[in-house]
Amino acid sequence: QSVLTQPPSVSGAPGQRVTISCTGSSSNIGAGYDVHWYQQLPGTAPKLLIYDNNNRPSGVPDRFSGSKSGTSASLAITGLQAEDEADYYCQSYDSSLSGVVFGEGTMLTVL
Amino acid sequence: EEQLVESGGGLVQPGGSLRLSCAASGFTFSSYAMSWVRQAPGKGLEWVSGISASGGSTYYADSVKGRFTISRDNSKNTLYLQMNSLRAEDTAVYYCAKDPGGIAAAANNWFDPWGQGILVTVSS
Repeated sequence: QSVLTQPPSVSGAPGQRVTISCTGSSSNIGAGYDVHWYQQLPGTAPKLLIYDNNNRPSGVPDRFSGSKSGTSASLAITGLQAEDEADYYCQSYDSSLSGVVFGEGTMLTVL
Repeated sequence: EEQLVESGGGLVQPGGSLRLSCAASGFTFSSYAMSWVRQAPGKGLEWVSGISASGGSTYYADSVKGRFTISRDNSKNTLYLQMNSLRAEDTAVYYCAKDPGGIAAAANNWFDPWGQGILVTVSS
């Protein structure tokens, strides 16, 4: 069981907006550590989507955005497209574990 | 283009050993910390180990501490993971990934890019 909690699945129709939450605690997100997000398309390696809470690497569409508040973070995807169907993982650092931690992952289904 | 390519995976019996390699290209390998992250079949991501840019500092998850050893050869642009005393629960796809700076396992580090992954199966 991960210290970062994500919903197992979310879904939305093409063109809609969906959000994926990542809930932590006072030893990770709440302690001020940054949150990063990855997209893993079926059968492929994870790809960095958002770093330092709300920054997009070059090449990532601005339909993807991140935010952080208190002990939680969120990934928002607007204008949902079929190719967005993937697993999404949040990642941070935990001071109690003294290490990198990942969320359990959220499967996004585009209806 | 930054690229990471893993090799060395395969089937190994419980208690056995395996050495993974990760060949890096497209960036100054000796300037960046590197990490190994694994993903058990149908499961999520788990950080396994990290090494500083110089190789002088190494870090491990509790689940592999004492059994796995991370190392690097900056002259060959290659990262390694020596895995001993393997268990069934070590079965996973292992990814190597580049840290954003020279310090491994640091707070606020992210991973980019990732290799394509290599499957390690521990079974009799």
